[in-house]
Order: sequence, then C-alpha cells, then structure tokens
Amino acid sequence: GAVVSQHPSWVICKSGTSVKIECRSLDFQATTMFWYRQFPKQSLMLMATSNEGSKATYEQGVEKDKFLINHASLTLSTLTVTSAHPEDSSFYICSVRRVAGSYEQYFGPGTRLTVT
Amino acid sequence: AQSVTQLGSHVSVSEGALVLLRCNYSSSVPPYLFWYVQYPNQGLQLLLKYTTGATLVKGINGFEAEFKKSETSFHLTKPSAHMSDAAEYFCAVSGGNQGGKLIFGQGTELSVKP
Repeated sequence: GAVVSQHPSWVICKSGTSVKIECRSLDFQATTMFWYRQFPKQSLMLMATSNEGSKATYEQGVEKDKFLINHASLTLSTLTVTSAHPEDSSFYICSVRRVAGSYEQYFGPGTRLTVT
Repeated sequence: AQSVTQLGSHVSVSEGALVLLRCNYSSSVPPYLFWYVQYPNQGLQLLLKYTTGATLVKGINGFEAEFKKSETSFHLTKPSAHMSDAAEYFCAVSGGNQGGKLIFGQGTELSVKP
C-alpha cells in the first residue's frame, strides 16, 4: 500500500475563521489527490480532484471559493475551509492515486473539523 | 455514468458465521471495483479490488469478492466472522473517463455478535 498522512487529525475552530488541512503522500509522488467529506453515518462525497501544478477540479455543488485546494508539490495538497460555519463540521478525508491511469486510491486517516 | 448500490445499511452476524455484504453497480464501461473498510474515526483501507482477469478476488483479512458481470454484482464474503471485522464497509466503482474518480456506495455497517 501507500502511506498518506493528514494534519491535523482533529481541529475545533470558531465560526468565521479559516482552517487549513494538509494531506501528504509519504512514500511516493502523487500527481493526483482527492478530497472527500463524510458526514456521520454517511458515505464519502467527493469534493474535488487536486492535480499538481494546476487548478483543482470541483464537483458540482462544491463552492470553490469556500474550499480552497492547493496542490503545490507532488507530495502535498492542502484544503482550506474559509469562513467556516457550523454546517462545515465534518470528517474530511484525502486520498492519493499512485500511478496515472491506475484507479486505486490510498486514503489518509481523516481530519475531524468542528466549527463552533 | 456510474453508480453503486449496497443492499442493507446494517448487517449483523454472529462470530464464526458467514459474512455476506452485497454490492451492485451500474457502469457503461468495464468497471474497476473496490471494497474498502473504515473503522471509527479513521480513513479507508483497501480490502480488495477487481480490475481485469480472474473474477474471484481475494483480499486481506480473509475477505474475497466475486465479480459477476451478468448480475452487475461484486458481493463481499468472508467464511467466518471475527469480532475485529466489525466496521463500516464501502463498495466503490471507477473506470472509463471518470478521471480515476471513485464512486462509493452508501456503506454497510457490519456488527459481529459474540
């Protein structure tokens, strides 16, 4: 498999502030990373596809100005939740795709965001 | 377009009993199929995958799944459940021109009774 880390593992922030979540591929270079959110007892919903060196591709209904994604290097992608509100509280999970054309994804441990 | 349906949001079995988690998919192109497991407050771990070739695939922890094209199914089984198998299981499909996106089913929570 592959090792993917996320930081922080959990974060509590006040409404109106911004939070940055990091996703790192620790043992290989990832040209593509994915960001998901998961509500309690629900499935994963793809938010966006992050490609190194280019703009992220957002899924329909996801606000690109609210969820800023930066894939600055082949091992790091960040998700910034701007002006967070309580409804943004969720479990955010990233994944990496190992080889272009391979559809196998390796997932990070997730970040629990709570907005008060 | 692709989609996945997992039959049964919750399955309960006794320890030592057969585990059967059902997954049906819809895909206009040859699918790549995956089963992932998620423990509370953790990410997803790949159990097994089908891409091409042998339709019966074996994964980790004694799980296996069979790709049946005629039934558009990819059910997950394990002959004997263990307490540590209690978790959430997700079936997912990918392939074609979806850019490697995974489409997940709704998930099935597996409980194992002693």
